[in-house]
Amino acid sequence: ETGVTQTPRHLVMGMTNKKSLKCEQHLGHNAMYWYKQSAKKPLELMFVYSLEERVENNSVPSRFSPECPNSSHLFLHLHTLQPEDSALYLCASSQDWGVQFFGPGTRLTVL
Amino acid sequence: DQQVKQNSPSLSVQEGRISILNCDYTNSMFDYFLWYKKYPAEGPTFLISISSIKDKNEDGRFTVFLNKSAKHLSLHIVPSQPGDSAVYFCAASEFPLVGGGSNYKLTFGKGTLLTVNP
Repeated sequence: ETGVTQTPRHLVMGMTNKKSLKCEQHLGHNAMYWYKQSAKKPLELMFVYSLEERVENNSVPSRFSPECPNSSHLFLHLHTLQPEDSALYLCASSQDWGVQFFGPGTRLTVL
Repeated sequence: DQQVKQNSPSLSVQEGRISILNCDYTNSMFDYFLWYKKYPAEGPTFLISISSIKDKNEDGRFTVFLNKSAKHLSLHIVPSQPGDSAVYFCAASEFPLVGGGSNYKLTFGKGTLLTVNP
């Protein structure tokens, strides 16, 4: 695997489900990010981790819970989501605060 | 309030011609600008960047121009190819400094869908 990978690529879940999104970067970077892209809106930064410590939590509802166990892996745990949370969730990584490299995204649908 | 604006949601160009994608910003603290390209079912890929100390940066067929006084940048693709058809995002941040402040924050525009017709 190269670059930034994300699994699953597509996810459909009910509002009472609990699921997790996974991101892995193979670039040796030390910072990782979660973004949300809703239809017809710009990418919105959700969380930032640097050296496995959370640097930013951009006023994201608590039903989204990030986890960064090491510098290569990033998770986004989801529980009791709402239909308006349906979006493309993108993971990115960078070395220090340099150019960010993105994964392919997880297309999430909340029923 | 959108700090980075791409006012054209779409652009259609003939193969071989020039594509010009525009981006305006309102935050005078922005000092570093990037263009990303996104194909369907893929994440955005970095294309080219420019810092405020320059007014032009060129990489092959891609050139980015920055007019800081007008808070405007543009991406020129010459010659355009059908494979360039994608959504192009403009993004801005304070100049990235190693280990410094809030320089990781990228503010994105909504994107412009470029279609290059054969």
